[in-house]
Amino acid sequence: NAGVTQTPKFQVLKTGQSMTLQCAQDMNHNSMYWYRQDPGMGLRLIYYSASEGTTDKGEVPNGYNVSRLNKREFSLRLESAAPSQTSVYFCASREQGEQPQHFGDGTRLSIL
Amino acid sequence: QKEVEQNSGPLSVPEGAIASLNCTYSDRGSQSFFWYRQYSGKSPELIMSIYSNGDKEDGRFTAQLNKASQYVSLLIRDSQPSDSATYLCAAGRSGGYQKVTFGTGTKLQVIP
Repeated sequence: NAGVTQTPKFQVLKTGQSMTLQCAQDMNHNSMYWYRQDPGMGLRLIYYSASEGTTDKGEVPNGYNVSRLNKREFSLRLESAAPSQTSVYFCASREQGEQPQHFGDGTRLSIL
Repeated sequence: QKEVEQNSGPLSVPEGAIASLNCTYSDRGSQSFFWYRQYSGKSPELIMSIYSNGDKEDGRFTAQLNKASQYVSLLIRDSQPSDSATYLCAAGRSGGYQKVTFGTGTKLQVIP
């Protein structure tokens, strides 16, 4: 069972480069999420998509854009990467209502 | 003020003891509450979900919710060294507004 798949797992970028993190889920979930996790900061919500065709800002959206390509896929784009965006990025999905989220394995991103 | 607050710990308990983890939330529109366990370098995994006031038990874990006090807790009975991890509390909305917000996590250390 694939669940939530994130690609790539690791990436090193130089300051100013752009990159898209990919996320796909095969559970037919309506809602999808992007979080970043930094030491001592917990999981901070970047953007989320309550359903196909909608996206909303979370707690820390600056420097990021998202695309809900279809029901399965939700991508996160860094247009001009900055060292402050060095983090572990998690994608999650859940059925609408009150169901818990399912997480991908994460993307470890370093920006030099 | 963060929407979900947790004591970062570390919380140290001896093997076999009860570990008590606490969480408060500020959004009164939150309707679903989750506890996740996260081992170092891994993605969060769901431990418990709770939606109504009172206690919910699952094996060695008991979640407690008090919506009037905006308080959620997790009790781990007969703590084992394998329970040593960071525990994340999350609060979520339902309906058309699917935001889920996490606390910074409490690190639990179970001492053999």
